[in-house]
Formats: sequence, C-alpha cells, structure tokens
Amino acid sequence: EIVMTQSPATLSVSPGERATLSCRASQSVSSNLAWYQQKPGQAPRLLIYGASTRATGIPARFSGSGSGTEFTLTISSLQSEDFAVYYCQQYNNWPTFGQGTKLEIK
Amino acid sequence: EVQLVESGGGLVQPGRSLRLSCAASGFTFDDYAMHWVRQAPGKGLEWVSGISWNSGSIGYADSVKGRFTISRDNAKNSLYLQMNSLRAEDTALYYCAKGDSSSWYEDSWFDPWGQGTLVTVSS
Repeated sequence: EIVMTQSPATLSVSPGERATLSCRASQSVSSNLAWYQQKPGQAPRLLIYGASTRATGIPARFSGSGSGTEFTLTISSLQSEDFAVYYCQQYNNWPTFGQGTKLEIK
Repeated sequence: EVQLVESGGGLVQPGRSLRLSCAASGFTFDDYAMHWVRQAPGKGLEWVSGISWNSGSIGYADSVKGRFTISRDNAKNSLYLQMNSLRAEDTALYYCAKGDSSSWYEDSWFDPWGQGTLVTVSS
C-alpha cells in the first residue's frame, strides 16, 4: 500500500494570501495524483488530477505541481469559500488518500 | 448534469449484512468504472472498492476483502455494495463515485461523488 502523508495538518492563512499544501507519497506515483476539497457536510469535490490538471469548473487560483513522491497544491489568493479540508489521493496503485489538511482562516 | 444518489444505509448490528445502492444519471453509465469510498465520522477518506465498466475487473481494499461485494447493473444505471459480517469499524458515510475511465484501476480519480449514505454498525 502506498502511504500518502499531507502537511501541515492545519494551515492558518488570511483571505487574499497564498496557501501551499504538501503531499508526500511513500513511493513514486508518477503524476497519478489528485486533490479534493471537502467542506463540512458536503461530499469531496475534485480539484486537480494528473498532479496539475484542473478539473472542469475549478478556478485558476488552484494549481497543482509535483511528480514522483512530492506534490503541492497552491491556492494563489484565498477566497472565503476556499476554507475547507483538502485531501490528496494517489491512483498509481490501489487508490489511497492522505489524511487531509484543514485550511482555516487566520 | 451527472448525479449519483446513494441509498440503503442505516443502523445494523455487528455481524449482520446491508446492501447499498447508487443510482446514476446524466452520463453513459456503462462507459465508466465506478467506486465506493467511505469516511468514518470525523475521519479521512478510504477507498473501499472499484468495478470496471463491464464488471470484468473488480478491486477491494484489504479492510473489506472477503466481506464486501461490489456489483453493477448497467441496464438500471445502478451500482451496489453488499456488505456482510459488518464490524463497528465499518461505521462510515459511504460515497458512490464515478471514475474517469472504463477500468477501475486506470485514471481512478473520483468525479463526481454522491452525497453519501450513512452506515452505523452497533449493538
């Protein structure tokens, strides 16, 4: 099983600032990585797949980068609706998720 | 608009069985693999099972292998999860999710997700 580790567990950022979330795989997953956003009481929403391709309808302020074992999700200018929990997921092997990063308002 | 609607959750005693269903609409169901993903209360996401477009290939997480069975009925645009020998640790919100290819093990990111059905295993 490929273990995905996200950091930090909680990130406090002010609206309008940039947020950088990290995800590390226990072995290479190539570019087979997705990012999801989950708000309280809602299902997860796909943001990024293929490590860097935005899903349909996702604003350009969301960007993904990385390959192999190190990945980053960047939100360039935080809006109020962006405060949520973010998960990474690898699909190079049996799908596995990171434990999540909670992005909270500073 | 793609829609996935889960049903069948509820309170069940340990050791008993439950069958979840997912009704799909808004896309050509038999073109895509489908998956179940669960989330225990206050916890993260765990992939449970995936099934290819024609049921020819199926995968399970180790935590449910031998107890859960995924299936689909393309004529009814429906996905199912038969859960046997339920344990307290199976308590979770179970989401149905669409894959992005016809095979469950390829391009297996999930989009979209249903709203989930809650399974509670308790005596």
